Amino acid sequence: DSGVTQTPKHLITATGQRVTLRCSPRSGDLSVYWYQQSLDQGLQFLIQYYNGEERAKGNILERFSAQQFPDLHSELNLSSLELGDSALYFCASSPTTGTNKNYGYTFGSGTRLTVV
Amino acid sequence: TQLLEQSPQFLSIQEGENLTVYCNSSSVFSSLQWYRQEPGEGPVLLVTVVTGGEVKKLKRLTFQFGDARKDSSLHITAAQTGDTGLYLCAGAKPGGGNKLTFGTGTQLKVEL
Repeated sequence: DSGVTQTPKHLITATGQRVTLRCSPRSGDLSVYWYQQSLDQGLQFLIQYYNGEERAKGNILERFSAQQFPDLHSELNLSSLELGDSALYFCASSPTTGTNKNYGYTFGSGTRLTVV
Repeated sequence: TQLLEQSPQFLSIQEGENLTVYCNSSSVFSSLQWYRQEPGEGPVLLVTVVTGGEVKKLKRLTFQFGDARKDSSLHITAAQTGDTGLYLCAGAKPGGGNKLTFGTGTQLKVEL
């Protein structure tokens, strides 16, 4: 158990639907990161939150959004789903933004999203 | 655009052999990390290197950060079946906070 909890582990849904992925960071970590992993694209950075605020944005589609709540858990919302959105979605956490120091990530086990 | 290219992409070897995985970029990184990922799990951090030319050893694994902080290598001595997995390098760009860009990955299979 890495300390980062992601739910659900598996999700199967139809095109056009909307889903919410949930992540609880490791205790004490303030930063949460979302990544998408597919066979042809590898691990792609989506978005980062630090203590409730958005800190960095990557290749996140407009159909996707995220937020971090006061208790530091985070949710990734995916809407108008397309077949190409099928992938593994990982959440990771770290102690801080690491402006002066780079901290390693602790990853959750991921959510496997299948859009049919 | 993939900033971090890993080679080889796939590697299948016998137990006891040595191997080296490379992680290359044209960009400078303030630090570089290596992760190992097993099927159905998230990547697990192996090491962080921050100084150009730095070498770190973790049992049979040796990690090196290039002098110019643009590349890194992972060397495994006497590979074991338990080393099987996807190896990922990840770099943090100067001034980029703690956001990591991950490499393309090297899938290693060690057989008896």
